[in-house]
Amino acid sequence: DAKTTQPTSMDCAEGRAANLPCNHSTISGNEYVYWYRQIHSQGPQYIIHGLKNNETNEMASLIITEDRKSSTLILPHATLRDTAVYYCIVSRRGNEKLTFGTGTRLTIIP
Amino acid sequence: DTAVSQTPKYLVTQMGNDKSIKCEQNLGHDTMYWYKQDSKKFLKIMFSYNNKELIINETVPNRFSPKSPDKAHLNLHINSLELGDSAVYFCASSLETGRRYGYTFGSGTRLTVV
Repeated sequence: DAKTTQPTSMDCAEGRAANLPCNHSTISGNEYVYWYRQIHSQGPQYIIHGLKNNETNEMASLIITEDRKSSTLILPHATLRDTAVYYCIVSRRGNEKLTFGTGTRLTIIP
Repeated sequence: DTAVSQTPKYLVTQMGNDKSIKCEQNLGHDTMYWYKQDSKKFLKIMFSYNNKELIINETVPNRFSPKSPDKAHLNLHINSLELGDSAVYFCASSLETGRRYGYTFGSGTRLTVV
């Protein structure tokens, strides 16, 4: 699976949009971009995934560049409960093994 | 509640002991996993089972033995516990078809070996 690069940490003001970037320049054509988050002391939580089109669900939006070498997870109106470590993972669909990197520690500031 | 549930939540035990962690999911998923999160917070897959069959074994010492009595349960038995086994262990499950909704993780079992 392709490797991903994310900033170590980010801050965002409560109520603003949080934009979390991820680079995956070696992504191959059959690999999807998945986002998970882990709130302190809890199990990771699935957020969203996509292949090449932008995706939106009740939690977030995922913007994937046309060359698919990078993506951005957008939390439209961040709340304090969004403080967590966010993981960007690239994996073939149907691959049983998700490989987690170090993620981005997002802190929402009141 | 539909979920992945693990027991116990906390486990403190002495070196050399044998212990088990249980995992159950009522989501109708057909694939289950064990992940280990060490003190540096790296999450690494240990095992994966699909319909009671082992499909991933990630170079885990054979002191760790997963057991899947049915597709809703995946238990982890650890023999001769060592200090380095101290970690948080997460169980997870997913639907094989397309992984459309991602994995669902349990809340973790914090194992401390003293």
